Amino acid sequence: GQNIDQPTEMTATEGAIVQINCTYQTSGFNGLFWYQQHAGEAPTFLSYNVLDGLEEKGRFSSFLSRSKGYSYLLLKELQMKDSASYLCAVNSGNTPLVFGKGTRLSVIA
Amino acid sequence: GAVVSQHPSRVICKSGTSVKIECRSLDFQATTMFWYRQFPKQSLMLMATSNEGSKATYEQGVEKDKFLINHASLTLSTLTVTSAHPEDSSFYICSARGGPPYEQYFGPGTRLTVT
Repeated sequence: GQNIDQPTEMTATEGAIVQINCTYQTSGFNGLFWYQQHAGEAPTFLSYNVLDGLEEKGRFSSFLSRSKGYSYLLLKELQMKDSASYLCAVNSGNTPLVFGKGTRLSVIA
Repeated sequence: GAVVSQHPSRVICKSGTSVKIECRSLDFQATTMFWYRQFPKQSLMLMATSNEGSKATYEQGVEKDKFLINHASLTLSTLTVTSAHPEDSSFYICSARGGPPYEQYFGPGTRLTVT
């Protein structure tokens, strides 16, 4: 079967660091995406990990461990505008992405 | 990341009419395009997958005669909502995927309101 788990909600303070975890069990694996979705808007691409390790893009980093079926998105120097849902999605082959239900992050002052 | 556009961004139509939504990949060739629907505060729901030049594959429960999908070129896919009803009011989002490494990008979405 296909299953992706991520926390439903998280709250963090402005300026802090937050880590959003994602675990997956899928029938195949070609890569893992992280998207950001603000309320009322479409998802926007944040990262795509195919190989194990950490990829850094400015304030955002994404980590993948294929052997553990695990990824995390790390957000540093949190800003109020980072309040959004963060979607973990797995590319399991030449098929549609399998999405987690998303983690709603609230950044508070 | 790559750019995917959608048009229109918002549309209001009367019940019984048809609405066409266009999705374009602007800087890459999208061998596969996906159409999603999202109701307020709910997860993305995949409606159908279309590969260029072939018929779309619809998810269970999605009426193929009501939601017509055409993917005539590597940069354009269209979704036509036929005989729209108020319950079709939703946020429709397309997504485009190229060849390896199969990165996938979303369009900005189309908010459809059927009155």
